[in-house]
Amino acid sequence: DAKTTQPPSMDCAEGRAANLPCNHSTISGNEYVYWYRQIHSQGPQYIIHGLKNNETNEMASLIITEDRKSSTLILPHATLRDTAVYYCIVRSRSGNTPLVFGKGTRLSVIA
Amino acid sequence: EAGVTQSPTHLIKTRGQQATLRCSPISGHTSVYWYQQALGLGLQFLLWYDEGEERNRGNFPPRFSGRQFPNYSSELNVNALELEDSALYLCASSLAPGLAGNEQFFGPGTRLTVL
Repeated sequence: DAKTTQPPSMDCAEGRAANLPCNHSTISGNEYVYWYRQIHSQGPQYIIHGLKNNETNEMASLIITEDRKSSTLILPHATLRDTAVYYCIVRSRSGNTPLVFGKGTRLSVIA
Repeated sequence: EAGVTQSPTHLIKTRGQQATLRCSPISGHTSVYWYQQALGLGLQFLLWYDEGEERNRGNFPPRFSGRQFPNYSSELNVNALELEDSALYLCASSLAPGLAGNEQFFGPGTRLTVL
């Protein structure tokens, strides 16, 4: 079973920041938070991951709370092409486990 | 750099037949994962291969099997196809476990339809 909880859907206006929350209250000290997204019927796309510090790359920022029980993925300037299902996944830092996908959040970016 | 490739893109079979799906990982990746995404059931882990060995298996019957070749490419075989095997089959690859940066990168998938 997935160890994360995400809202089933969210809307965001084009050009605005999209903030996608994720609860992972049972995360353990050796687990990372990963974010993937899946645009309709395509393979999931890796976005970002982090352990406890905030992370930023060319796609997004990841903010992890100090107690590590929740996180937020931020798409700073959402475009229509960001419309997708976003998955928050908790995984061992050793990388010796498969990804366990939950239902994710369906983000709709609206013009 | 080429990404993960999968073939065929689409595959149509009838009940009872066998299906073979293929995956080529990103160069330098030794781990290959297979996932099934059936309609309404989400992404479910099937199999994981690393260095030619099966490392882990999801909750699927034995008629789902596979192998990894010396060049790290992989095959997924589904025997005695059933209607509910109709799904998008996704392959992902990563660096070996334990290495930094071992996030998984996915291919475009093979759409299997069982009639």
